[in-house]
Amino acid sequence: DSGVTQTPKHLITATGQRVTLRCSPRSGDLSVYWYQQSLDQGLQFLIQYYNGEERAKGNILERFSAQQFPDLHSELNLSSLELGDSALYFCASSVHDRENTGELFFGEGSRLTVL
Amino acid sequence: KNEVEQSPQNLTAQEGEFITINCSYSVGISALHWLQQHPGGGIVSLFMLSSGKKKHGRLIATINIQEKHSSLHITASHPRDSAVYICAVLPYTGNQFYFGTGTSLTVIP
Repeated sequence: DSGVTQTPKHLITATGQRVTLRCSPRSGDLSVYWYQQSLDQGLQFLIQYYNGEERAKGNILERFSAQQFPDLHSELNLSSLELGDSALYFCASSVHDRENTGELFFGEGSRLTVL
Repeated sequence: KNEVEQSPQNLTAQEGEFITINCSYSVGISALHWLQQHPGGGIVSLFMLSSGKKKHGRLIATINIQEKHSSLHITASHPRDSAVYICAVLPYTGNQFYFGTGTSLTVIP
């Protein structure tokens, strides 16, 4: 158990809909990272938050947004869903701001299926 | 263009064999991670390296910064080692890791 909790584990929805994925980081970790893993593709970095503020942005679509709340949990919002958004979405947390100064701890992932 | 290349993409081994997975990258880095992704999808961080070699149980990770290359070795492989192994690098410039597409390992009893 990494200590990072993601919900829901599985989600099936239709095109055009909006979903929210939730991540609770390890106790004490200030940084939260969101990654997308599409079928047969590698992990793609989406966005990073540190202590409530956005710190780095990757290849995140404009239809996607995220935030980190005062209690440090984070939510990833995906809207106007398309078939190609079907993927595993991972959240990871670490203590420090830059990933190389702290080990990354991954959640179990949220599997999104868009029909 | 992928900054991180792993080889092989797929690997099947007999239980007990010594296994090597390779990772080459094209940018200057400050750190490299080896991750293990189980069939159920969960990801575990195995090693974080910036130089030299690290060992944990039957797993050994090495990195050669000059050659931009890292290897993950598994000694006395076991079916429970079956997973996808992912290499990730953190460039000097930037704030995020770049990931390889992974090496899928199957260890047969």
